[in-house]
Amino acid sequence: GEDVEQSLFLSVREGDSSVINCTYTDSSSTYLYWYKQEPGAGLQLLTYIFSNMDMKQDQRLTVLLNKKDKHLSLRIADTQTGDSAIYFCAETSPNAGKSTFGDGTTLTVKP
Amino acid sequence: KAGVTQTPRYLIKTRGQQVTLSCSPISGHRSVSWYQQTPGQGLQFLFEYFSETQRNKGNFPGRFSGRQFSNSRSEMNVSTLELGDSALYLCASSQLTTSGGGADTQYFGPGTRLTVL
Repeated sequence: GEDVEQSLFLSVREGDSSVINCTYTDSSSTYLYWYKQEPGAGLQLLTYIFSNMDMKQDQRLTVLLNKKDKHLSLRIADTQTGDSAIYFCAETSPNAGKSTFGDGTTLTVKP
Repeated sequence: KAGVTQTPRYLIKTRGQQVTLSCSPISGHRSVSWYQQTPGQGLQFLFEYFSETQRNKGNFPGRFSGRQFSNSRSEMNVSTLELGDSALYLCASSQLTTSGGGADTQYFGPGTRLTVL
């Protein structure tokens, strides 16, 4: 079945770059997603990448996809204290309305 | 466009009671999915509805049920509540009007925090 794995914690200094990594197993995934969750809130869609792409950049966010290794990463440039949150990687079964999530990476940004 | 809305935002119940949670999807979205989020189990898929039909179901007991109305609004019901049902229940909607991942993208509501005492 589908499985998504992420490292649990990441701590960086304000202004540094953050890199959050994720591996997935479902080769039928056509899109892969990154969501952000702040305390007490729902999931905010940050960005997504189509499986035939290697990279996608969106302002401070860069997503890299290695489809051969089923490895996905999210780079946040110039990380700010407001970026402190839990970041979830997810894959979605095509046309099924179902996503499989990793356990989330807690990003802590120190001033 | 308004986002996904969920009501109520917070709920406190006691063991054995039942509860109904409501979700209104983004206008034009026909698929509504429900997830349970707990510290121990993470985000787990409950079920998905499309055009009033349950198409996918996760690994949850029959106490968890749902339905979708003709306007795509969805409700989720949990009967005979247990302490372990305390969780954040998240609803997500997606278009799914065309094939392809862009329409598969799920947008989440703020969640309903259920506490079972």
